[in-house]
Amino acid sequence: EIVLTQSPDFQSVTPKEKVTITCRASQSIGSSLHWYQQKPDQSPKLLIKYASQSFSGVPSRFSGSGSGTDFTLTINSLEAEDAATYYCHQSSSLPRTFGQGTKLEIK
Amino acid sequence: QVQLQESGPGLVKPSETLSLTCAVSGGSISSGSYYWTWIRQPAGKGLEWIGRIYTSGSTNYNPSLKSRVTISVDTSKNQFSLNLSSVTAADTAVYYCARGLVNGDLGYWGQGTLVTVSS
Repeated sequence: EIVLTQSPDFQSVTPKEKVTITCRASQSIGSSLHWYQQKPDQSPKLLIKYASQSFSGVPSRFSGSGSGTDFTLTINSLEAEDAATYYCHQSSSLPRTFGQGTKLEIK
Repeated sequence: QVQLQESGPGLVKPSETLSLTCAVSGGSISSGSYYWTWIRQPAGKGLEWIGRIYTSGSTNYNPSLKSRVTISVDTSKNQFSLNLSSVTAADTAVYYCARGLVNGDLGYWGQGTLVTVSS
């Protein structure tokens, strides 16, 4: 099974700051990497698909990059509503797996 | 826009079978190249992929749960289901259903349903 390791596990940031979350895969997964945002007591919502494609309706401040084993989710000009836990997810092989999550706290 | 809604008992006794249903609206479960997927999340923890089913009936399961999991689809009711047998307290979690692309993302999720395993 492919293990996805996110860093950091937790980050406290101020509004308007730029945030970078990384996801490293235990083996190459091409571009089969997706990012989700989960707010408290809500289901996860797709932000970025196939490493860098924005999902419909997602604000332009969210972007993704990477391929192979190293991926990045970037949030430009952070807003208070971005407080959430972010997960990466691979669809390269079975079983599908998720990263452990990165919790963003807004100061 | 497709919507998914989980339903089922919120409390299951140890050693019994957990049964959940995901109703799909806003589109036919039979249309498109989608896998219908179950994911779970214990309180305060991360996401675990349980398994998925294609409308043909083809299934894939997480090896960690494979011996206890059955996912089925009922196209006439536009829904799919999860059965997890011999449950223990470790199976207590919020269970989500989702629509996924064959080799891609999980674009649409249900709101989730909490299942507690306790006597």
